[in-house]
Amino acid sequence: GDSVTQMEGPVTLSEEAFLTINCTYTATGYPSLFWYVQYPGEGLQLLLKATKADDKGSNKGFEATYRKETTSFHLEKGSVQVSDSAVYFCALSSLDTGRRALTFGSGTRLQVQP
Amino acid sequence: GAGVSQSPSNKVTEKGKDVELRCDPISGHTALYWYRQSLGQGLEFLIYFQGNSAPDKSGLPSDRFSAERTGGSVSTLTIQRTQQEDSAVYLCASSLRLAGGSYEQYFGPGTRLTVT
Repeated sequence: GDSVTQMEGPVTLSEEAFLTINCTYTATGYPSLFWYVQYPGEGLQLLLKATKADDKGSNKGFEATYRKETTSFHLEKGSVQVSDSAVYFCALSSLDTGRRALTFGSGTRLQVQP
Repeated sequence: GAGVSQSPSNKVTEKGKDVELRCDPISGHTALYWYRQSLGQGLEFLIYFQGNSAPDKSGLPSDRFSAERTGGSVSTLTIQRTQQEDSAVYLCASSLRLAGGSYEQYFGPGTRLTVT
């Protein structure tokens, strides 16, 4: 079945540091890939998405590129802020199953210190 | 416009009682999903509704769990004879098919269920 593996946290960075959160996936066919973010005390929000190979999703300074050859969708940001502290979830949606429900990774907690 | 809403936001119940959780999706969204977020299991898919098609119940953990969606809109997730392991945050999401065939899911704030 489909699965998503992401790096374990917590990831602790200083403000303005470079961020990478690794995500790899296993899926049949050609899934859509997503990053969701959950800020403290809030619900899940879609951060960015990519629907086909080599697509780059971007939002709020975050980027991720759909790499079919390495089955990866790593999240990056050039300069993190304290307000980026949250839990980040990588997810995929498999069109082939017709269900399109999301399969999530385990989440990575990011802590940004001033 | 209004997002996905869920009620109640918190529910504390005694073991063995039944509970009902409600989800109001974004108007016009044809697909509705229930997920569960717990410490031990992460985010798990429970059930999926698409239009008038039969729901995909493949993620329901036991026959104590059921869900319905009335009129293609509001959905209710029911847990019968609750157990302590049912304690979790129950998330609802809705989505609309986008050009190119992708779906973008929008999540509600969740219902935190505590079984004592």
